[in-house]
Amino acid sequence: QKEVEQNSGPLSVPEGAIASLNCTYSDRVSQSFFWYRQYSGKSPELIMSIYSNGDKEDGRFTAQLNKASQYVSLLIRDSQPSDSATYLCAVIGRASKLTFGTGTRLQVTL
Amino acid sequence: DGGITQSPKYLFRKEGQNVTLSCEQNLNHDAMYWYRQDPGQGLRLIYYSQIVNDFQKGDIAEGYSVSREKKESFPLTVTSAQKNPTAFYLCASRKLIQANTGELFFGEGSRLTVL
Repeated sequence: QKEVEQNSGPLSVPEGAIASLNCTYSDRVSQSFFWYRQYSGKSPELIMSIYSNGDKEDGRFTAQLNKASQYVSLLIRDSQPSDSATYLCAVIGRASKLTFGTGTRLQVTL
Repeated sequence: DGGITQSPKYLFRKEGQNVTLSCEQNLNHDAMYWYRQDPGQGLRLIYYSQIVNDFQKGDIAEGYSVSREKKESFPLTVTSAQKNPTAFYLCASRKLIQANTGELFFGEGSRLTVL
């Protein structure tokens, strides 16, 4: 079982719709969770961090964490073409090891 | 300006040669990380370090070596033992605020091509 799993996509959503990106993790002691956006050929940039169960909102982005189900998600409201990128889920586990999922490619269509 | 500087940005190497990628940060971050990314794939952890003079192997450490002699610096050597070294290498760092918190910030990456 992979430590962090994401659907590779592509996930295609029309402009203005809500994009929902999902991530599961295997280590129950994980405490910190992050979403990064990566454009092709560039380094990842941090979008959201979440540490406790529930929702965390920042502008058009909402991160959701459910530790009991070992599940973290990212919602992007009013999706824009500029949101088209690969979204990486990252988890801090034991001994500060920070593991990434393989990423979900999002395509926002006009 | 504070940040993470990786060099060189592009590097070409012949098979059988070792090469060292530089990573320097002036953010006063405690932990530093090296990841490898292959086309269309996620980030795989090579090595990481939480304090000076100490580092841990990640998931794909074979064929790589690191050192952490200074808090600001975490160079990665890609040795000739690494079978498929052509990849995009990313260095990152973070502040260890309390147990397992602190966001990870990335340098711009180094693209290594073996000819």
